[in-house]
Amino acid sequence: QQQVKQSPQSLIVQKGGISIINCAYENTAFDYFPWYQQFPGKGPALLIAIRPDVSEKKEGRFTISFNKSAKQFSLHIMDSQPGDSATYFCAASSYTGNQFYFGTGTSLTVIP
Amino acid sequence: NAGVTQTPKFQVLKTGQSMTLQCAQDMNHNSMYWYRQDPGMGLRLIYYSASEGTTDKGEVPNGYNVSRLNKREFSLRLESAAPSQTSVYFCASSELWGIDTEAFFGQGTRLTVV
Repeated sequence: QQQVKQSPQSLIVQKGGISIINCAYENTAFDYFPWYQQFPGKGPALLIAIRPDVSEKKEGRFTISFNKSAKQFSLHIMDSQPGDSATYFCAASSYTGNQFYFGTGTSLTVIP
Repeated sequence: NAGVTQTPKFQVLKTGQSMTLQCAQDMNHNSMYWYRQDPGMGLRLIYYSASEGTTDKGEVPNGYNVSRLNKREFSLRLESAAPSQTSVYFCASSELWGIDTEAFFGQGTRLTVV
């Protein structure tokens, strides 16, 4: 059973547009929600992360929005650039847990 | 800084052959992990080692074994490879599991079993 559900599977956005990727979870014990970015032929790398005590975290053009009551969180990429074209994974973990649970990934293509 | 180094980068095996994927990290991390990545499936945890001397099963451990050789090295062994094990394998390390810390991934090993 997928612990973290991610959508969409793929996304095509025009340069300068907003890219939005959504994730949902069921386990209320999760208390850490990172997003990883993966370029072709490379391993994933941490992009941005949030804890549930805040509803939003912004780093440059990347923002995580978190809705604790709905058990959903999303990644927003403002002013999307071709260099943002990559696969994005959401994940979740708990302080007392023993692993990260990853979403199935979203392949983002930003068209010039 | 090398970070997490995996070898080999590519491998083709015949069904039934065995092989060991090697992983080493130079960040003095306690925890190390092996994942497999398949299209539409995301990253699935095979085994992890929370600290030197300990290993535990993840989501998809069947057909694999691991060895935490020392604090730096964590290897993944396929005893009798099957076509279902065709995948991209990633090793990762982090300081502590379950806390808001970053997991650092290697470049991956692309394995094809024919």
